[in-house]
Amino acid sequence: DVKVTQSSRYLVKRTGEKVFLECVQDMDHENMFWYRQDPGLGLRLIYFSYDVKMKEKGDIPEGYSVSREKKERFSLILESASTNQTSMYLCASSGPLGFAGDEQYFGPGTRLTVT
Amino acid sequence: AQSVTQLGSHVSVSEGALVLLRCNYSSSVPPYLFWYVQYPNQGLQLLLKYTSAATLVKGINGFEAEFKKSETSFHLTKPSAHMSDAAEYFCADTPIGNTPLVFGKGTRLSVIA
Repeated sequence: DVKVTQSSRYLVKRTGEKVFLECVQDMDHENMFWYRQDPGLGLRLIYFSYDVKMKEKGDIPEGYSVSREKKERFSLILESASTNQTSMYLCASSGPLGFAGDEQYFGPGTRLTVT
Repeated sequence: AQSVTQLGSHVSVSEGALVLLRCNYSSSVPPYLFWYVQYPNQGLQLLLKYTSAATLVKGINGFEAEFKKSETSFHLTKPSAHMSDAAEYFCADTPIGNTPLVFGKGTRLSVIA
């Protein structure tokens, strides 16, 4: 059974703080993804990674960075948190790049509030 | 740019009634299509996926979806709604060899007793 875990379910941070959101998957998946989810906007891709130390920008990378030092772990970093980054953050993973029909497996999400 | 359109941000049905959630995709190549469900305060979980083997796809919890190339649609249906079906539903698309998925904005399903 695929498991994607996220370090926190709920997080409250202050404006200007550096914030780390951690994601770990246990299925040896090559691909990992970070999304943010906001009412009425659906899921928006922030960054993704198809291999260790590799990263690609998604649709809304501004204000975020990522780190993937190990295959199973993908971190999202908010360098200086702002109130407009208050959101639900979802991590996902999937199998080999180019494998047709590969679904993504999602973690439970982290609800981040920046005050 | 590739897009997925879900018609209706909110759908409300009575318990026992037919559920129909609409999804249209824009891929110009044969797509791989997915429906995900998200229960409150949880991540997304896969309901079903279309990978060109059959146009009618059966998923979990009694849901099914039909791929119609002529209409570029992949609508999700369930014959009889249950209270536990209340959730948000997302349609997603990816062409062959491409990742990541492109998601629709979601449809929130309410079930009325």
